[in-house]
Amino acid sequence: GAVVSQHPSWVICKSGTSVKIECRSLDFQATTMFWYRQFPKQSLMLMATSNEGSKATYEQGVEKDKFLINHASLTLSTLTVTSAHPEDSSFYICSARVGVIPDTQYFGPGTRLTVL
Amino acid sequence: GDSVTQMEGPVTLSEEAFLTINCTYTATGYPSLFWYVQYPGEGLQLLLKATKADDKGSNKGFEATYRKETTSFHLEKGSVQVSDSAVYFCALSEDNRKLIWGLGTSLAVNP
Repeated sequence: GAVVSQHPSWVICKSGTSVKIECRSLDFQATTMFWYRQFPKQSLMLMATSNEGSKATYEQGVEKDKFLINHASLTLSTLTVTSAHPEDSSFYICSARVGVIPDTQYFGPGTRLTVL
Repeated sequence: GDSVTQMEGPVTLSEEAFLTINCTYTATGYPSLFWYVQYPGEGLQLLLKATKADDKGSNKGFEATYRKETTSFHLEKGSVQVSDSAVYFCALSEDNRKLIWGLGTSLAVNP
């Protein structure tokens, strides 16, 4: 149980286009979902926290107009990278949490975004 | 601010070798400490945790002890298997707030 999927697993796009990444909790309802970004040889960086039906809370330094997060249901959150540029190329990971304790987070396998 | 430092990899071992992956932390209070593992092609999953000083977390033959005096939470396993090949992340959380992550250590176990 407690499986989180992400789609797509990898995507290549042209500079200036927008890309949407989906995160789904397959067998449970998640009160909170998180979006992380990971650069090569660096630790996971939390981008934003979203609760179903409310606006996402972005971490300092993360552009909310650049990285649009929608959490329309208890099983789906989406991250849209708008007007993507090569510096947005990265590994994006989502997680879903039941309750408030950090170790109840379940992680998706990640999405590799490459912007040409 | 809070931070986590773990040893750089990659670590390459032969099957049945002893494993240690070092992790130290800085925190203003008394954090909970975690080890997460990411197997190839899969999402991160919690391996073990400890919530207070001197606690020992254990799972799948792995152990880590919360050492407040040395601010450490080193991961150990007495005899690794090929199936343990993965990336291991040390992390902390204070007051159930967001997780602070280490860089991750890649482990490759050869038969």
